[in-house]
Amino acid sequence: AQSVAQPEDQVNVAEGNPLTVKCTYSVSGNPYLFWYVQYPNRGLQFLLKYITGDNLVKGSYGFEAEFNKSQTSFHLKKPSALVSDSALYFCAVRDLPGGSYIPTFGRGTSLIVHP
Amino acid sequence: KAGVTQTPRYLIKTRGQQVTLSCSPISGHRSVSWYQQTPGQGLQFLFEYFSETQRNKGNFPGRFSGRQFSNSRSEMNVSTLELGDSALYLCASTRTGTGDYNEQFFGPGTRLTVL
Repeated sequence: AQSVAQPEDQVNVAEGNPLTVKCTYSVSGNPYLFWYVQYPNRGLQFLLKYITGDNLVKGSYGFEAEFNKSQTSFHLKKPSALVSDSALYFCAVRDLPGGSYIPTFGRGTSLIVHP
Repeated sequence: KAGVTQTPRYLIKTRGQQVTLSCSPISGHRSVSWYQQTPGQGLQFLFEYFSETQRNKGNFPGRFSGRQFSNSRSEMNVSTLELGDSALYLCASTRTGTGDYNEQFFGPGTRLTVL
């Protein structure tokens, strides 16, 4: 079975400071990991994904995520937060091979960047 | 390339009625998934269609159904609406291939309110 947890419902950070949104996962095989962002009244937008290779994955809008197999984590990071980064962030995991074709999403973390 | 489109964007219905939501995937995408998003339950998977066949199904009652047409457009239907069906319904399409690690592209959603 595959599962994902986002331990923080909300993350507050000042503009210009680094931000981290946490995600941990559980799979039987190899994890395929994704981050999505949702702005108010919009659908989810893909940010980045980890399939294999380098543990540091770079994505859209200056975001990056670090895959840590030993800690089963895939935290989303950005060196300098912008007010416009304020949104709802979702982590998702797929367990392959042999796992579900459908990703499991976390409950989401609301990121609030203060001016 | 046009994104995923969903119609209508907003719906207001009363208990006991039925509703049909429509989703047009990105051109060339053959997989369409539906999700229900609520503040309390987060993002919950409803079902996935591929080549007009339901390939995966989430844990929802039989009142929720869907179908996919030969042009990959999909519809979902909810019969005998209940207050708890009020939610944002999201459609996502995926470019299928041999890699099985493609990200999903989401539409803006249909906001359903049941009175």
